[in-house]
Amino acid sequence: AQSVTQLDSHVSVSEGTPVLLRCNYSSSYSPSLFWYVQHPNKGLQLLLKYTSAATLVKGINGFEAEFKKSETSFHLTKPSAHMSDAAEYFCVVTARGGADGLTFGKGTHLIIQP
Amino acid sequence: GAGVSQSPRYKVTKRGQDVTLRCDPISSHATLYWYQQALGQGPEFLTYFNYEAQPDKSGLPSDRFSAERPEGSISTLTIQRTEQRDSAMYRCASSLAGTDTQYFGPGTRLTVL
Repeated sequence: AQSVTQLDSHVSVSEGTPVLLRCNYSSSYSPSLFWYVQHPNKGLQLLLKYTSAATLVKGINGFEAEFKKSETSFHLTKPSAHMSDAAEYFCVVTARGGADGLTFGKGTHLIIQP
Repeated sequence: GAGVSQSPRYKVTKRGQDVTLRCDPISSHATLYWYQQALGQGPEFLTYFNYEAQPDKSGLPSDRFSAERPEGSISTLTIQRTEQRDSAMYRCASSLAGTDTQYFGPGTRLTVL
């Protein structure tokens, strides 16, 4: 069994300030972890993926995430927010090569204040 | 194709009608997934195919839901006798065989009146 908890349903930051979106996971197997982003009226886009090669994963658009096994966390960060980052972000876990499908968190709505 | 496509993008139907949604995966991708996303929630796994085989139907909400992929490429998701609670975004994704990185289509927004 696997599950994901996104700790904040909404996060609001000012443009140019750091972004932190928090995620905790649980999995019976060695998991693969992902962050996806969903812009309004658009599909889900893969931001980054962790598969055990390195604990710090760099993704697109300046985002990165750090896998911490001891804390079962996979938080998403970005040093400086841009207005175009406003979107819904999903933390996702899977195991067994995806045979169980992806398990999504409930999402975090990122709001960027000008 | 270059990306995952889904049709129709929007579907409005009346309660009790049957609907069929279509997904065309990335052409080299053996594995295809269906998800249901209620408003304000993350997508929830419904079922998946490896080529034409459907190893897991456990996520389908009821026996009114069925999916096919007869030739291992295009897939359809059919909902019979639709109910208002079926209103959601239905998302399709595909991946290369044996990998877990999934690429999503734009989704079909289903509204049941």
